[in-house]
Parts: sequence; C-alpha cells; structure tokens
Amino acid sequence: SAVISQKPSRDICQRGTSLTIQCQVDSQVTMMFWYRQQPGQSLTLIATANQGSEATYESGFVIDKFPISRPNLTFSTLTVSNLSPEDSSIYLCSVVALLLNTEAFFGQGTRLTVV
Amino acid sequence: AQTVTQSQPEMSVQEAETVTLSCTYDTSESNYYLFWYKQPPSRQMILVIRQEAYKQQNATENRFSVNFQKAAKSFSLKISDSQLGDTAMYFCAFMKSGSARQLTFGSGTQLTVLP
Repeated sequence: SAVISQKPSRDICQRGTSLTIQCQVDSQVTMMFWYRQQPGQSLTLIATANQGSEATYESGFVIDKFPISRPNLTFSTLTVSNLSPEDSSIYLCSVVALLLNTEAFFGQGTRLTVV
Repeated sequence: AQTVTQSQPEMSVQEAETVTLSCTYDTSESNYYLFWYKQPPSRQMILVIRQEAYKQQNATENRFSVNFQKAAKSFSLKISDSQLGDTAMYFCAFMKSGSARQLTFGSGTQLTVLP
C-alpha cells in the first residue's frame, strides 16, 4: 500500500490569506489528485496533479484560486488562495499506483476553517 | 460523465445484524471499477471493497460483500454481523479504467451501529 503524509491536519486562517497543503507519498505513484469535501458533503475532485506540468482542473476550479505543484512523483502541494469563509472544507490528497491493483489511497485530510 | 447516486442519507442497524447500503451509477463506459469507502470521524478514507466491472463474481471481504448488477448499474454493499466500529460515512465511488483514474463519489450514507 501507499502511505500518505498530508500536512497540516487542520488550520484556521484569516480571510484574504492563503494556505498551502503538502502531500508526501512513501512510494512513487502514477497519479495524484486533490479533492474537496465541504461540510457534511461528499468529495469533489479539484484537480489532477501532473508531474512537471500544469495541473488538470475540473469544472468550477481554477488555477488562480487553487494553484497546484508536483515537482516529482512523490510530492505535491495545493494552495487555496484569497481565502473566504466558503473555502472552509476538508481537503484531501489521493494517489493511485497502477501497480497496486488500482486502489486509491488517501491522506488524512486537512480541515480548513476560514474566519 | 459519470454519476453515482446513494439514495439513503442515513441508516442505522443493531449490532450483530445485517445491513445493506444502496448505490446506483450511470456511465457509458464498459470497463470500470467500483468501490465502497468508509470515512469514520477521523476523516481517513478507508477502502472497504472493490469490484472490477469485467468480473461477474461479486467481491467479498470478510463481513463485507457487494451485489453488483452491471445491467442495472447497481452496486450495493452488505455488512454482516455489524460492529460498533462500522459506524461511519460510507461512500460509493466509480473509477474509469484507462489513464484517467480519478474517483467520482456518491453523496454518502451515514451508518450508525446501535449497541
């Protein structure tokens, strides 16, 4: 299996500021994804983090608001910019290693509260 | 695009009894994977069971089994001998085969196991 370390586990931020979330995997994985889980809701895909190139964003998510980096096969960051209370959510990193039976592994999530 | 529907927002079951969670999906893909994930209050997403669409045999994992009806696009989860630790939010999820491996989630079912 793949073990994911996601940091921070939670944070409280002022509106207008930014938060950067880190995702570190203990093995080289093919794909890395970032999901958002709004309070009491399901997971929605923000983007696919591509190694060495721009992330692929889903409809409704833009690079200016959610810049993503993936400098290598084991690390990615998600920044949530210009925070507003509507950004208060859980953000989860997920990886898929195709050699590991297609299973998707998840980080423990980052609970963001914007005040 | 794929959609996943879970029509039961909440369910409860007595300890040691059996419960079935429903999931339907819509896709034009012929090859895909279906999953049930569990999310306890810790927020960690835990894979419960996986089903490959090309396999006719229903997946089983200890107390957990699925009823996969491909023609009906139905994928229900049966939990036998329910335990208090099974209390969690359960998400049904869809993954295409091929290069795009992101998950599409249902809205979730909150399962409570009663002592």
